[in-house]
Amino acid sequence: AQSVTQLGSHVSVSEGALVLLRCNYSSSVPPYLFWYVQYPNQGLQLLLKYTSAATLVKGINGFEAEFKKSETSFHLTKPSAHMSDAAEYFCAVRVLRTGAGSYQLTFGKGTKLSVIP
Amino acid sequence: KAGVTQTPRYLIKTRGQQVTLSCSPISGHRSVSWYQQTPGQGLQFLFEYFSETQRNKGNFPGRFSGRQFSNSRSEMNVSTLELGDSALYLCASSLDGGENTEAFFGQGTRLTVV
Repeated sequence: AQSVTQLGSHVSVSEGALVLLRCNYSSSVPPYLFWYVQYPNQGLQLLLKYTSAATLVKGINGFEAEFKKSETSFHLTKPSAHMSDAAEYFCAVRVLRTGAGSYQLTFGKGTKLSVIP
Repeated sequence: KAGVTQTPRYLIKTRGQQVTLSCSPISGHRSVSWYQQTPGQGLQFLFEYFSETQRNKGNFPGRFSGRQFSNSRSEMNVSTLELGDSALYLCASSLDGGENTEAFFGQGTRLTVV
């Protein structure tokens, strides 16, 4: 079954430092992968999505992610962290429910990002 | 363009009661999915509705049910509430729920069962 694993439930970086949030997927076919961000007491907002058109995907708020098939990874990065980036980040994959013939999002456990001033 | 609207934002219920949560998707979107988010289990898929039909269902007991109306608005119902049902319930809408379609989430309903 397709799934994603996020390494590190909590990541702390200094303001201005590189942000790297890790996500590995397991899939026997090219997956559709997504990164979402959740601020406290809010819903999820889409940061970016991979659809096989390009391996380097640029998203909102300066984030980007690179799809690496050889490593089955889709890590999220941002060159310089801002205080406003403090939130929880979720990696997700669209999974086909064969019995239902439709798709659902399956999420990783999430990584909480703290930004230290 | 209005986003996904979930009502109410907060609910406090007593064990054994039932509750109904509402979700109004983005105009034109026909697929509505529901997720339960808890600190221990993370985000778990409840069910998906498309054109008034439940198309997909997660591994939740029958106490969790839902429906979708002809205008694509959706409701989910939880009967005989248990303490463990305390969670943030998120609704997501998309055009058709296909593999590449983007899902837009509402702000969620925070349910507390006491």
